[in-house]
Amino acid sequence: DVKVTQSSRYLVKRTGEKVFLECVQDMDHENMFWYRQDPGLGLRLIYFSYDVKMKEKGDIPEGYSVSREKKERFSLILESASTNQTSMYLCASSLPDSDTQYFGPGTRLTVL
Amino acid sequence: GESVGLHLPTLSVQEGDNSIINCAYSNSASDYFIWYKQESGKGPQFIIDIRSNMDKRQGQRVTVLLNKTVKHLSLQIAATQPGDSAVYFCAENIESGGSNYKLTFGKGTLLTVNP
Repeated sequence: DVKVTQSSRYLVKRTGEKVFLECVQDMDHENMFWYRQDPGLGLRLIYFSYDVKMKEKGDIPEGYSVSREKKERFSLILESASTNQTSMYLCASSLPDSDTQYFGPGTRLTVL
Repeated sequence: GESVGLHLPTLSVQEGDNSIINCAYSNSASDYFIWYKQESGKGPQFIIDIRSNMDKRQGQRVTVLLNKTVKHLSLQIAATQPGDSAVYFCAENIESGGSNYKLTFGKGTLLTVNP
């Protein structure tokens, strides 16, 4: 089974803090994705990566950056957290020739 | 822009009944569709997928139907059980060069199964 893990299930941070969300997958997937999920808005793509050290902006990249130093790990960084970044963050991965994305359990981030 | 949507935000059924969850899409270029189940506090879980060269695909207790003429996708769950209670959402992929594997997600339908 594909396993995608995220470093924290719940996280509380203060405005202005730098926040790191970590995602690790154990199936040697090339593609990795970061989404945020908000009520009424569904899943929105923040950033994605097709390979190590490669990254592409999704639909809502503002206020976020990412890092992919190793194939299995994809990090989402909030340079200076703001209250409007309070959300559920979901990481996903997929094989290079597959549309099927497998999700982690999510990190519920609250920014005070 | 074009997007994936859902007809009903909530669906309540009795245990043992069949459930049908609908999804409308507007991009005729979409060639892959996928259904996810998301239980409270968990990440989305893959249920079933279908490519545009198919009209129907069956899994264990689930069937996905694709009607390309009216751009409609449905998920049928047979003999619905309390454990099926969750948010279900569809997603589509539009083949588009370097973004081949991006999915566009619908907002979801909450399925509640009453015992």
